[in-house]
Amino acid sequence: DVQMTQSPSSLSASVGDRVTISCRASQRISTYLNWYQQKSGEAPKLLIYTVSSLQSGVPSRFSGNGSGTDFTLSISSLQPEDFATYYCQQSYTTLYTFGQGTKLEIK
Amino acid sequence: EGQLVQSGGGLVQPGGSLRLSCAASEFTFSSYWMNWVRQGPGKGLAWVSRINGDGSSISYADSVRGRFTISRDNAKNTLYLQMDSLRVEDTAVYYCVRSRVVRRIISFDPWGQGTQVIVSS
Repeated sequence: DVQMTQSPSSLSASVGDRVTISCRASQRISTYLNWYQQKSGEAPKLLIYTVSSLQSGVPSRFSGNGSGTDFTLSISSLQPEDFATYYCQQSYTTLYTFGQGTKLEIK
Repeated sequence: EGQLVQSGGGLVQPGGSLRLSCAASEFTFSSYWMNWVRQGPGKGLAWVSRINGDGSSISYADSVRGRFTISRDNAKNTLYLQMDSLRVEDTAVYYCVRSRVVRRIISFDPWGQGTQVIVSS
């Protein structure tokens, strides 16, 4: 199985801050990397696919980068609605796996 | 874009069975791979199973293989998950999810609203 490891597991930040979440794969996964946002009590939503492509309706303050084994999700200027848990996911192998999640909290 | 509405779930004793359903609308259901993903209490996301458009190709996570059965009825635009021999560790919110392919890369969108399964005596 491809293990996905996110860091940090939790992050406190303020509105207007720039934050970056990392995701590392246990083997090279090319660009088969997606990011999801999950707000409390809701289903996850696709945020970014194929490393850096924003899903329709996602604000441009979100961006993704990386290739191979190391990937990042950045939010340029945090808004109140961005406080949520973020998950990376690989689809390089058919045994799709997710990172453990990064909970972004208000400082 | 598509909508997925789930039903089923609930409280069941260890060793029992449950069937989850997921009704799809606003897209050509038979053209898409579909998946089940679960989230244990306070835990992250874990892929459970997938099925191709005509039901001829199916895969399971090791943790549920031999106990869970995924199926679909394209005439009813509905996805199912039959869960047998349930264990306490199967307790989770289960999500129905569509596979989306862009440049050969699969992502999950949209997601159903989720349905709670609690396995407890």
